[in-house]
Amino acid sequence: DAGVIQSPRHEVTEMGQEVTLRCKPISGHDYLFWYRQTMMRGLELLIYFNNNVPIDDSGMPEDRFSAKMPNASFSTLKIQPSEPRDSAVYFCASSFHAGNTEAFFGQGTRLTVV
Amino acid sequence: GEDVEQSLFLSVREGDSSVINCTYTDSSSTYLYWYKQEPGAGLQLLTYIFSNMDMKQDQRLTVLLNKKDKHLSLRIADTQTGDSAIYFCAETLYGNNRLAFGKGNQVVVIP
Repeated sequence: DAGVIQSPRHEVTEMGQEVTLRCKPISGHDYLFWYRQTMMRGLELLIYFNNNVPIDDSGMPEDRFSAKMPNASFSTLKIQPSEPRDSAVYFCASSFHAGNTEAFFGQGTRLTVV
Repeated sequence: GEDVEQSLFLSVREGDSSVINCTYTDSSSTYLYWYKQEPGAGLQLLTYIFSNMDMKQDQRLTVLLNKKDKHLSLRIADTQTGDSAIYFCAETLYGNNRLAFGKGNQVVVIP
């Protein structure tokens, strides 16, 4: 397996635009996580899914953020409208719930909102 | 609740040992983890320890867990330049797959 695949790797957008980040988890993994990393706040869990169902979205900062997982091999994180304070690296991770929880991370999407 | 704290920066000479510390507040944690993040990359699991263990050794890595003080440490023996990275500790609770991360500790290895 190629690991968790995120796209795009880099995104620069203007304030007010819609941004969609994409993630393909590792095949067979039943958990998918979206994290945001900034210097100020470190690594924050935004939302996670189990078997395509959102379990905990308490980390989603505002209604401008939404996440979907239409099937086991694809998830999106959307920001609409985007703001400069959304600039961060967004990571997707997946895991297989089998006792200990090793999460496999994608390379991340570096988002810059100008 | 979950609250994981780490110190921020450590500089170490190549060949020396480095120790990174982490404290957590939730005594219900079942697994505690150390992840490594190299520049421009995602996090990779280095090692983990189950909460009923005090110590785990894995090649150059030694994890110590003090449940009484809720303190977790990672010792890297014979530190190499490839060990330069940000190290995160993380915890999960029984029955909950949510991973809570600390802010990370940047380790810089000086040749």
